[in-house]
Amino acid sequence: EIVLTQSPATLALSPGERATLSCGASQSVSSDYLAWYQQKPGLAPRLLIYDASSRATGIPDRFSGSGSGAVFTLTISRLEPEDFAVYYCQQYGSSPQTFGQGTKVEIK
Amino acid sequence: QLQLQESGPGLVKPSESLSLTCTVSGGSISSDNYYWGWIRQPPGKGLEWIGSIYSGGSSDSNPSLKRRVTISVDTSKNQFSVRLTSVTAADTAVYYCARPGKEWERGGFDYWGQGALVTVSS
Repeated sequence: EIVLTQSPATLALSPGERATLSCGASQSVSSDYLAWYQQKPGLAPRLLIYDASSRATGIPDRFSGSGSGAVFTLTISRLEPEDFAVYYCQQYGSSPQTFGQGTKVEIK
Repeated sequence: QLQLQESGPGLVKPSESLSLTCTVSGGSISSDNYYWGWIRQPPGKGLEWIGSIYSGGSSDSNPSLKRRVTISVDTSKNQFSVRLTSVTAADTAVYYCARPGKEWERGGFDYWGQGALVTVSS
């Protein structure tokens, strides 16, 4: 099973700042099948990025994904008030699919 | 617009079985090449993939659930289901059904149900 480790656990930033979230895999993710989700309290996760760097439909271009192999990054170029949430990475290149433990982006 | 909706009991007794159904609307579960998945989230915790099924019936599930989980599909009703046997309090969670955004890919879930809270308690 591939273990995904997200860092930091919590990121305290101000609106307008840049957020950089990391996701490290215990082994290489096949075909870079890595996704990023945003989740707000009481709601289902929302897909932001799939296949490591492709933005999902309707996702603003301030969200970008990069990386390959075992190291991946989600960047939010300029934080908007609605971006404060928990973010998860997920690998689906091998079974079982696994999720990281999440990074909470909170208002500083 | 594709929509998914979970349904099933909200309370299950320990050692019994949990069964949930996901009804798909706005699209046919069998018309395209998609996998359909179940994910759960214990209160205040992270996400766990339970398993996925293809419309043709082939399925895959998380070994962490050992042999307690069964995922099935009913194309005539445009539904797919999950059954988890011998439940304990550790199975208390919000259960989501979801579908990837890209054909043939097993993850990158773009469409989600609203989630169904299942509590395991006597």
